Amino acid sequence: EAQVTQNPRYLITVTGKKLTVTCSQNMNHEYMSWYRQDPGLGLRQIYYSMNVEVTDKGDVPEGYKVSRKEKRNFPLILESPSPNQTSLYFCASSYIQGNQPQHFGDGTRLSIL
Amino acid sequence: AQKITQTQPGMFVQEKEAVTLDCTYDTSDPSYGLFWYKQPSSGEMIFLIYQGSYDQQNATEGRYSLNFQKARKSANLVISASQLGDSAMYFCAMSPPNTGNQFYFGTGTSLTVIP
Repeated sequence: EAQVTQNPRYLITVTGKKLTVTCSQNMNHEYMSWYRQDPGLGLRQIYYSMNVEVTDKGDVPEGYKVSRKEKRNFPLILESPSPNQTSLYFCASSYIQGNQPQHFGDGTRLSIL
Repeated sequence: AQKITQTQPGMFVQEKEAVTLDCTYDTSDPSYGLFWYKQPSSGEMIFLIYQGSYDQQNATEGRYSLNFQKARKSANLVISASQLGDSAMYFCAMSPPNTGNQFYFGTGTSLTVIP
């Protein structure tokens, strides 16, 4: 089954404790992306990647890191999480052509205390 | 800068009626793509419909159609014959095609279908 898999689905942690949210897709998509969703703000792009070893900042990259060492994986790293990073996070992937819809993971709800 | 605006935070529609969800966009690129996604209360993001800036006809997918007015930079989603299962958040999004570039989402419209 074609899918984007995020883990964990839920995480409660404390300020400053490094965490990684994994994202993996099995559709051989070139394009992968991370978003955060906050009430009233819609989805805002954090980082995106057009292929292996190619990453670019979105609208809200501060406090986040990503890597794209393999085509299928695109982990999101919070090196020193803060409470303002409490949010719902989505990973998405698509083919590189812009007319292709993104496939989304089920989301990861992060709470930073 | 590129931007998506959805001015209707919440909408109500009677079951079986049609409803239009507004979306305007701002871009200086001549080539771009517009998408609509649905997010039910369960949280997943579901792709509904796509419109390319050079497409001559308005996109349609079943009960969904896109009222694309390029000169006005609007891409409104029309849902015909609303069903209770259409109650959800709806997001408009934009990306320049053929570049795999940055995506922009609007703030969403919450649609409630009334029996």
